[in-house]
Amino acid sequence: DQQVKQNSPSLSVQEGRISILNCDYTNSMFDYFLWYKKYPAEGPTFLISISSIKDKNEDGRFTVFLNKSAKHLSLHIVPSQPGDSAVYFCAARDSGTYKYIFGTGTRLKVLA
Amino acid sequence: GAGVSQTPSNKVTEKGKYVELRCDPISGHTALYWYRQSLGQGPEFLIYFQGTGAADDSGLPNDRFFAVRPEGSVSTLKIQRTERGDSAVYLCASSPLAGAKGNEQFFGPGTRLTVL
Repeated sequence: DQQVKQNSPSLSVQEGRISILNCDYTNSMFDYFLWYKKYPAEGPTFLISISSIKDKNEDGRFTVFLNKSAKHLSLHIVPSQPGDSAVYFCAARDSGTYKYIFGTGTRLKVLA
Repeated sequence: GAGVSQTPSNKVTEKGKYVELRCDPISGHTALYWYRQSLGQGPEFLIYFQGTGAADDSGLPNDRFFAVRPEGSVSTLKIQRTERGDSAVYLCASSPLAGAKGNEQFFGPGTRLTVL
């Protein structure tokens, strides 16, 4: 039972354009949502997070949107840069157990 | 400052053997998590420590897996009688706060375990 889903395994975007990565979840007990970026042979690196009481959080080129009624969140990267090419994981924290549940990841490739 | 470190970076072992994987969290971080990542999957929760005690070990797949954090800092994940299906990257993460106040996690580079 996949509680956090990233349905697009890969995405290619032209440099300078917007990258939109999507994530869906099923558990209404999640209170924090996080995005991590992962390069090969490295551990995931925290990118941005959002509390379940908010619907948007912005940090530089990165913005996360949360739609609680749809149980959907998205990460927008604009403008996309070749260095953004990596695997992006969506994660959610269960407010009851404080466990983090990760999606399967989306591989983003930004083309120069 | 130093990030989370994990040793060894790679471990190859034979089926049936015992292995220990070590995690050095960021100094002062209260919470420590272990995850397992298989190819094409996201990190899968194994166990979570608050200080020295395991707050939640519900992700450990069976009793061959055990983890300790005796002094509230370094943690060791122990796997007995390894099986080929245990092959994965084992990730450790630490967080400065635990429980409801914990949020951002800092990950180590992982240990790639291969069971032949």
